[in-house]
Amino acid sequence: EAGVAQSPRYKIIEKRQSVAFWCNPISGHATLYWYQQILGQGPKLLIQFQNNGVVDDSQLPKDRFSAERLKGVDSTLKIQPAKLEDSAVYLCASTFGQGYTEQYFGPGTRLTVT
Amino acid sequence: GNSVTQMEGPVTLSEEAFLTINCTYTATGYPSLFWYVQYPGEGLQLLLKATKADDKGSNKGFEATYRKETTSFHLEKGSVQVSDSAVYFCGGGSGNTGKLIFGQGTTLQVKP
Repeated sequence: EAGVAQSPRYKIIEKRQSVAFWCNPISGHATLYWYQQILGQGPKLLIQFQNNGVVDDSQLPKDRFSAERLKGVDSTLKIQPAKLEDSAVYLCASTFGQGYTEQYFGPGTRLTVT
Repeated sequence: GNSVTQMEGPVTLSEEAFLTINCTYTATGYPSLFWYVQYPGEGLQLLLKATKADDKGSNKGFEATYRKETTSFHLEKGSVQVSDSAVYFCGGGSGNTGKLIFGQGTTLQVKP
C-alpha cells in the first residue's frame, strides 16, 4: 500500500514570504496530523483532523499558520508570513481512526526561512 | 500537562554492544507508550508500543517494558548493528484523540 505522501520535500524562502505544504494520507485513513519538528527536538503536533473536521489545533499559531482538509482526504498547511523560527521539518501523519493506533508518517518537508 | 523525557544523545556504540535509551513520562493516567525510529532522510516509523502497565513491546530485537511504578519505557537491544543507526523517539498518548507527545529524540550511531 502507498504510504503518506508529502510535497515538496525541501523549500527555502525568505522571511515574510508565504509557503504551502501538501499531504496525501494513506487511503482510508480518516485522521490526519500535521507536526512541526525543529532541529534537535521531537515532533510537536500543530493540528489534527478527523475527516474534514478539526479535532485539535491548540498548538497552531493561528495568526500565521492555517490548514485545511476540505474533502477529508488530502490536506494543505500554509504559513503566511513566514518567520525565521518557522525553519523546521513539517511532518504529516495519518491513522485509520482516533485513539492510540499506529500513526504512519510521511517523509516530511524541510523548510528553511532565511 | 503530559510530557516525555528521554536521554540525550548522541549515543555511540560499537557493533554488537548492548543498547539502552531511557525514557520517562509524566501523564494523567496511564497512556499508551511508543518508540518511533527515524532513519536518515525518512519519516518516523513505529518501532514498538505498549498499551498498559507491564506490557512489553518488541520488534527487530528491540524491547521496552511499560513500568508504571517508575513511569518509564526504556528501549533496549542486546546487540546493535550498524543498520540501527538512526534517531529514536519515545512518545506517549495524550487525551483520547490519538495525540502523541514526543521526547526530543536520541541519536544512535553504531560503528563497525
